[in-house]
Amino acid sequence: AQSVTQPDIHITVSEGASLELRCNYSYGATPYLFWYVQSPGQGLQLLLKYFSGDTLVQGIKGFEAEFKRSQSSFNLRKPSVHWSDAAEYFCAVGAFGNEKLTFGTGTRLTIIP
Amino acid sequence: DTEVTQTPKHLVMGMTNKKSLKCEQHMGHRAMYWYKQKAKKPPELMFVYSYEKLSINESVPSRFSPECPNSSLLNLHLHALQPEDSALYLCASSQDRETSGTLAKNIQYFGAGTRLSVL
Repeated sequence: AQSVTQPDIHITVSEGASLELRCNYSYGATPYLFWYVQSPGQGLQLLLKYFSGDTLVQGIKGFEAEFKRSQSSFNLRKPSVHWSDAAEYFCAVGAFGNEKLTFGTGTRLTIIP
Repeated sequence: DTEVTQTPKHLVMGMTNKKSLKCEQHMGHRAMYWYKQKAKKPPELMFVYSYEKLSINESVPSRFSPECPNSSLLNLHLHALQPEDSALYLCASSQDRETSGTLAKNIQYFGAGTRLSVL
């Protein structure tokens, strides 16, 4: 069975600083990996996805993520955060032919001036 | 356009009421999903419809009854709910299952959700 771990429950970053959110997955074959962002009381917005190919993927809002098979990781990065990036971030894993997504427990990002 | 529309945005209901949540997408997606999300928790899958047929029911109590009248519309009928059912209910849609030779992508697009309060 697939699983996702987001080790950081809450991260606080200064505006303009760089960001890295961690995600580790467990899956026997090649996973499909996603990062979603959720603002309070809102739905989930897809930031980026990895299916195959280039292990560094670019997403919306200046985010990127790197798939590292050897570390079973798919960490999300942004070089300079903005106050509007404050939200909950979920990493998720899917698989071929399987409609189910398994979500991590989320990381809440707070931005301070 | 990757829009999934959910109505209503907010719903308050008593434990004896019957209500319905509605979800609509016009992206030609053939898989649609209902999730339940409690505060500070990740979404939990409830149901999956694929080509208008129920393909996954995650052992959801019968007081939740899904319906997929056509490929663009997904309903969740609610009856005799409990206060612990209060949550954000999210709908999502995606293209059909991957077919060989394509990465046709189980990319799920989510609606903004319905905030349900059961009194």
